[in-house]
Amino acid sequence: GDSVTQMEGPVTLSEEAFLTINCTYTATGYPSLFWYVQYPGEGLQLLLKATKADDKGSNKGFEATYRKETTSFHLEKGSVQVSDSAVYFCALRTDKLIFGTGTRLQVFP
Amino acid sequence: ETGVTQTPRHLVMGMTNKKSLKCEQHLGHNAMYWYKQSAKKPLELMFVYSLEERVENNSVPSRFSPECPNSSHLFLHLHTLQPEDSALYLCASSQDHTTGLPYEQYFGPGTRLTVT
Repeated sequence: GDSVTQMEGPVTLSEEAFLTINCTYTATGYPSLFWYVQYPGEGLQLLLKATKADDKGSNKGFEATYRKETTSFHLEKGSVQVSDSAVYFCALRTDKLIFGTGTRLQVFP
Repeated sequence: ETGVTQTPRHLVMGMTNKKSLKCEQHLGHNAMYWYKQSAKKPLELMFVYSLEERVENNSVPSRFSPECPNSSHLFLHLHTLQPEDSALYLCASSQDHTTGLPYEQYFGPGTRLTVT
């Protein structure tokens, strides 16, 4: 069945460091891909999305490119801030939305 | 963001209690969802309602009973729960469940449930 695999966390970075959170997927069709973010004590918020191969989603300095050849959708940010500390979920959708297990990011001043 | 609200935010209940979780969306969506979020496990989709009809029920125990009286409100009725049911219960809504378009789901803040 369809699935999403994310790198295990926590990912711990200093402020202004470069961030990569890896995400790979398995799907029988042509899924849409999403990154959601969950800040402490809150629900999930859509961060960015891509609907077809080579699309790049971007928002708030975060980017992810839909790579069909490597079945990946890695999340990147050039310079993280303390306020980016949260749990990040990669997800795909074919006929239903399927989430990865989440990766906790901790950014220290 | 107050598009999807959930009450209560925290709930502690004994195994013999009956309680209900409430979700309300103010986005004009016509599909609503219940998810269970447990530590170190993927988000689990429990129920999907589209146009007020249940379209998906992912093998959820009968001690969880959903109700969708209209497109803006969704309830999760709880009875005779077990300690392993302790989790964060998230409600979400989206524009359409059935068109196959890459719809986005909007989530509420969740209800943190503890079963003692």
